[in-house]
Amino acid sequence: EVQLVETGGGLVQPGRSLKLSCVASGFTFSSYWMYWIRQAPGKGLEWVSSINTDGGSTYYPDSVKGRFTISRDNAENTVYLQMNSLRSEDTATYYCAKDGILTRFAYWGQGTLVTVSS
Amino acid sequence: DIQMTQSPSLLSASVGDRVTINCKASQNINKYLNWYQQKLGEAPKLLIYNTNNLQTGIPSRFSGSGSGTDYTLTISSLQPEDFGTYFCFQHNSWDTFGAGTKLELK
Repeated sequence: EVQLVETGGGLVQPGRSLKLSCVASGFTFSSYWMYWIRQAPGKGLEWVSSINTDGGSTYYPDSVKGRFTISRDNAENTVYLQMNSLRSEDTATYYCAKDGILTRFAYWGQGTLVTVSS
Repeated sequence: DIQMTQSPSLLSASVGDRVTINCKASQNINKYLNWYQQKLGEAPKLLIYNTNNLQTGIPSRFSGSGSGTDYTLTISSLQPEDFGTYFCFQHNSWDTFGAGTKLELK
């Protein structure tokens, strides 16, 4: 069974940093791209970052480019999201996700809440 | 970027109703359209992938259709556990989600 467990969320002041982790199990982690997706309270979903299987290619939307960095450790079955220069608009639940055989975002973790506030 | 316009934003229905939710892309997305269900406090759950493929374990009352820019999710006979929020999602080019449809009990 695929399991994705996110940790690392919490309350952080604007301008500070936070690093999220997502530990994966139940599949061959090194064979799949991994993703972070966020959802502001009461709002819709926004793709935040993608990383390929060996970590050599990463992608971001303009809203986080230059501030967020996705990385992975295939030996530890873990994907990370380093978030710098945090803003109030980054307040959201952050989910990690993986593809299915034929499609994107087939499996999601339970999410971790990040609150950016002074 | 591809914009996804989802409608309606709020849908009131009764158990047993047939309901449809629509999603319109700002350009052709080549059937790379998924539908997700989200209940309060939970992660989204994949229902339909690539327009009309039912994810494993999802009841057959859920179905999807469409092509080009226009896509539809249909629930043939609404069950009590189907109430929640539904999102469409395109992964043809730079992944984007629709704004969501809240399905509530009439």
